[in-house]
Amino acid sequence: QITLKESGPTLVKPTQTLTLTCTFSGFSLSTSGVGVGWIRQPPGKALEWLALIYWDDDKRYSPSLKSRLTVTKDTSKNQVVLTMTNMDPVDTATYYCAHNIEIPLFDYWGQGTLVTVSS
Amino acid sequence: DIQMTQSPSTLSASVGDRVTITCRASQSISSWLAWYQQKPGKAPKLLIYKASSLESGVPSRFSGSGSGTEFTLTISSLQPDDFATYYCQQYNSPCTFGPGTKVDIK
Repeated sequence: QITLKESGPTLVKPTQTLTLTCTFSGFSLSTSGVGVGWIRQPPGKALEWLALIYWDDDKRYSPSLKSRLTVTKDTSKNQVVLTMTNMDPVDTATYYCAHNIEIPLFDYWGQGTLVTVSS
Repeated sequence: DIQMTQSPSTLSASVGDRVTITCRASQSISSWLAWYQQKPGKAPKLLIYKASSLESGVPSRFSGSGSGTEFTLTISSLQPDDFATYYCQQYNSPCTFGPGTKVDIK
């Protein structure tokens, strides 16, 4: 059974760098085609796709946020890490990680973690 | 970037109603369109992929149609568990979500 769980700080200050970890089980990021994506949702607003990393280390980023995002994987730990630089209050959101295979179609999601950006 | 729009933004309906939500893409995405259901405080749930394929375990009252730039999600007979927000998502290039349609109780 596939599960994912996001972890990281709940509060960051403006201009700081956010680092979130997605720890998963039930699949391996060394399996051909498998990927993990990051999606966020500001309170009361819509979903926004951020980034994807695949089993072969292929990485995709949202064009509007590409300069601020980095996604990496640690296959041995079953973890994916998202970093977002220069955080701003508008980045306050629930951040989700999700499983996908070959295409950005997310069939299993973590519970999400709320990150607030405030001084 | 491919932009997605949804209409209506809010829909008030009663149990048993037939409900239709429309999603439009700013350019052709073939059939690379998914629908998700999200309830307050919960992660989204995949309902439909490739415009019309039902995800395993999703009730058959949900159906999807369309191709190119215009798509619809239909709930044939609204059930109490279906009051939620619905998002479309294109995954042609690479990924964009729509703004959502909230289905609430009339």
